[in-house]
Amino acid sequence: GEDVEQSLFLSVREGDSSVINCTYTDSSSTYLYWYKQEPGAGLQLLTYIFSNMDMKQDQRLTVLLNKKDKHLSLRIADTQTGDSAIYFCAESDTVNDYKLSFGAGTTVTVRA
Amino acid sequence: NAGVTQTPKFQVLKTGQSMTLQCAQDMNHNSMYWYRQDPGMGLRLIYYSASEGTTDKGEVPNGYNVSRLNKREFSLRLESAAPSQTSVYFCASSEPPQARSYEQYFGPGTRLTVT
Repeated sequence: GEDVEQSLFLSVREGDSSVINCTYTDSSSTYLYWYKQEPGAGLQLLTYIFSNMDMKQDQRLTVLLNKKDKHLSLRIADTQTGDSAIYFCAESDTVNDYKLSFGAGTTVTVRA
Repeated sequence: NAGVTQTPKFQVLKTGQSMTLQCAQDMNHNSMYWYRQDPGMGLRLIYYSASEGTTDKGEVPNGYNVSRLNKREFSLRLESAAPSQTSVYFCASSEPPQARSYEQYFGPGTRLTVT
């Protein structure tokens, strides 16, 4: 399967921007995703980007895609305490693109 | 509209016992998935069902079996539980190929401990 890599932890001060990075291996992936998992809950889709896009913005979230380097990032502007969660990067499978491969998740802690 | 539901929420098993994890979705999705989540390893796909009547192995299928009972329900069975199967299990569903993106909707998880 594909390997999706993320750093495991990020600590950020409330009001600052958070940047979560991800590298993926399959340049043919159609979609790349960011999911959020709050404590004790399942994953929830935050945003996704189609592989022919470089950037997508959705309110406080900005996704940047660098296909050449196979690098995906998620920027959260004005980080709030409610943003404390685990964030997973995922890429779609090239053969069966409804199947996803997930990274290990980045635990974001927002401190006052 | 409950989305994806899973039962039970918590379970403790002894080594060698069997159990079935239940999952149901009410979104009329074609595809359903079972994942396990372990610390530092993200989510790993155990089995999936692209459509009613089909099931396929994912990344870590050993020790598990699945049944796609109908379009709504997809169960995961552990025939002889082992401590290595202690994990959090998530069921998910999605609606390819018609959807523009393949968002997966997740259930709340089942926390399983095997002693």
